Amino acid sequence: NAGVTQTPKFQVLKTGQSMTLQCAQDMNHNSMYWYRQDPGMGLRLIYYSASEGTTDKGEVPNGYNVSRLNKREFSLRLESAAPSQTSVYFCASAKEGLAGFNEQFFGPGTRLTVL
Amino acid sequence: QKEVEQDPGPLSVPEGAIVSLNCTYSNSAFQYFMWYRQYSRKGPELLMYTYSSGNKEDGRFTAQVDKSSKYISLFIRDSQPSDSATYLCAMCSGGSNYKLTFGKGTLLTVNP
Repeated sequence: NAGVTQTPKFQVLKTGQSMTLQCAQDMNHNSMYWYRQDPGMGLRLIYYSASEGTTDKGEVPNGYNVSRLNKREFSLRLESAAPSQTSVYFCASAKEGLAGFNEQFFGPGTRLTVL
Repeated sequence: QKEVEQDPGPLSVPEGAIVSLNCTYSNSAFQYFMWYRQYSRKGPELLMYTYSSGNKEDGRFTAQVDKSSKYISLFIRDSQPSDSATYLCAMCSGGSNYKLTFGKGTLLTVNP
């Protein structure tokens, strides 16, 4: 089991360029998430997908789009990158547990710098 | 007021010390309280969770929730250098709520 995988690990973009961050999970989880983590700001939810075919905005969706390609894959797209989008991006997936909440499993992150 | 407040530290302690990490929150609907550990340049991983009020112990780690005060704590006994990481509290209302609300994280360093 690879768990949650993210590509690329690092990326440098120029302002205005576009790119897609890829995420895949092999745990058969229904829900998937994209977060960004900035110093002093903690983890902030960008978008999430409760199940295949559905997506919803999180706390900071502006400037991003997502695609839930299938149950395994959830991609995040920056159409026109801005320096304010310099951050570490984490993908997560969650299983519906007997505990009553969804335990989230995180990928290793993508470090993005926008110049 | 942020829904979840967590002192970012940094916190530096000697090996063997007892560490106390804390979060406060404002949303009375939160029922599940989690602590995630994040090593440098890695993704967060779930350390412990607690439902509603009370204590939960797992080895050297104890999680406490006081819903009347809207205050949660994580205690680490006999701290080790391998405990050096950022600790994030997280909470949700449970059920069909798919979203977690995270604290900003506290950076802990345990010195040998």
